[in-house]
Amino acid sequence: NAGVTQTPKFRILKIGQSMTLQCAQDMNHNYMYWYRQDPGMGLKLIYYSVGAGITDKGEVPNGYNVSRSTTEDFPLRLELAAPSQTSVYFCASSYAVVGYGYTFGSGTRLTVV
Amino acid sequence: RKEVEQDPGPFNVPEGATVAFNCTYSNSASQSFFWYRQDCRKEPKLLMSVYSSGNEDGRFTAQLNRASQYISLLIRDSKLSDSATYLCVVNPPYSGGGADGLTFGKGTHLIIQP
Repeated sequence: NAGVTQTPKFRILKIGQSMTLQCAQDMNHNYMYWYRQDPGMGLKLIYYSVGAGITDKGEVPNGYNVSRSTTEDFPLRLELAAPSQTSVYFCASSYAVVGYGYTFGSGTRLTVV
Repeated sequence: RKEVEQDPGPFNVPEGATVAFNCTYSNSASQSFFWYRQDCRKEPKLLMSVYSSGNEDGRFTAQLNRASQYISLLIRDSKLSDSATYLCVVNPPYSGGGADGLTFGKGTHLIIQP
């Protein structure tokens, strides 16, 4: 199993540009999450999804959008990139809300200049 | 009060030593507990779940103290490869309306020295 696959691994954006971070999982998990991690800081939840067609905001959703058209895919859209969005982005999935850990993708390192 | 608090370290420990660190959590109704390991510039990976009765996985022992609201991780006979950041992770009560799941601590940085 591939687990959780994120693309791209690295990206440099100019201020005001947009991009989509891709995330796919092959474990048939209903729950999927997007986090960002800034240097020396903990993981902050951006958006999450409990199943296809259902998404909800996390702690830091501003400047981002998500969709969940299939169980497997959970892309994260950045509109009008800002330097404050420079971060490492992790996608994760889990089998259930309680009692199960998350499987993380390898991350996307994004720099906005 | 922060939801999950950890000493950021770094803990500098000689190879072969035993090291332990704790984390505290604020929500007494939290339901699940985990330790994750994160290597530099890598994704977090599940190290072990933490059960009420305590559990062991090789050189690693995890303990949960619900009365004092802390969990601990003990590493025996530490190896150079144990150098990493260890994240304390807690699952607050499921409110039913949301599923925003796990709360991550900022991590404790461990350096094993030869």
